[in-house]
Amino acid sequence: EAGVAQSPRYKIIEKRQSVAFWCNPISGHATLYWYQQILGQGPKLLIQFQNNGVVDDSQLPKDRFSAERLKGVDSTLKIQPAKLEDSAVYLCASSFFRGNTEAFFGQGTRLTVV
Amino acid sequence: GIQVEQSPPDLILQEGANSTLRCNFSDSVNNLQWFHQNPWGQLINLFYIPSGTKQNGRLSATTVATERYSLLYISSSQTTDSGVYFCAVRETSGSRLTFGEGTQLTVNP
Repeated sequence: EAGVAQSPRYKIIEKRQSVAFWCNPISGHATLYWYQQILGQGPKLLIQFQNNGVVDDSQLPKDRFSAERLKGVDSTLKIQPAKLEDSAVYLCASSFFRGNTEAFFGQGTRLTVV
Repeated sequence: GIQVEQSPPDLILQEGANSTLRCNFSDSVNNLQWFHQNPWGQLINLFYIPSGTKQNGRLSATTVATERYSLLYISSSQTTDSGVYFCAVRETSGSRLTFGEGTQLTVNP
């Protein structure tokens, strides 16, 4: 079974530029998560989807971050405009249901904003 | 929201030693997972253990949900065990998977 796929693996951009990350979850997984992990910290949830609906986006900086999962499968996370403090690893995860099931993570995208 | 505390924050071992990592959480949960983050940043699933005890080779985990803690045991540690170990929980009343700050494990040869 294929795991969670993310791209790109690495991205370097200048501040005020825009960037987009892509995630394809495990086949059949209805729940998709985007996490931000700043160096030395634990991952923090940015947004959670159940199929193509948003379950939790309370920690998403909506003035600059946006995410969509239009067909309930793959998802895109966008940052526009980027700030220096957005430098982090962006992790995508998926699970079969929202509830008592195991989440699996992709390899992440390491973003550096200069 | 739920609070997740992991201890110790850092742990240095000699190869072959045993260790215990702890995860405390502040509310009832219906999901608890242990992950190992390797040097390349990948989060590897170790255990899905909202309650009870599980073992997988040299690793085992126990969650006592009524007392709001979980333990990860690593026996006969190897250098490849080095990395950060995270505990993540989902509170019964919510949907978010919340992570602790991790335990940085270094195993020296």
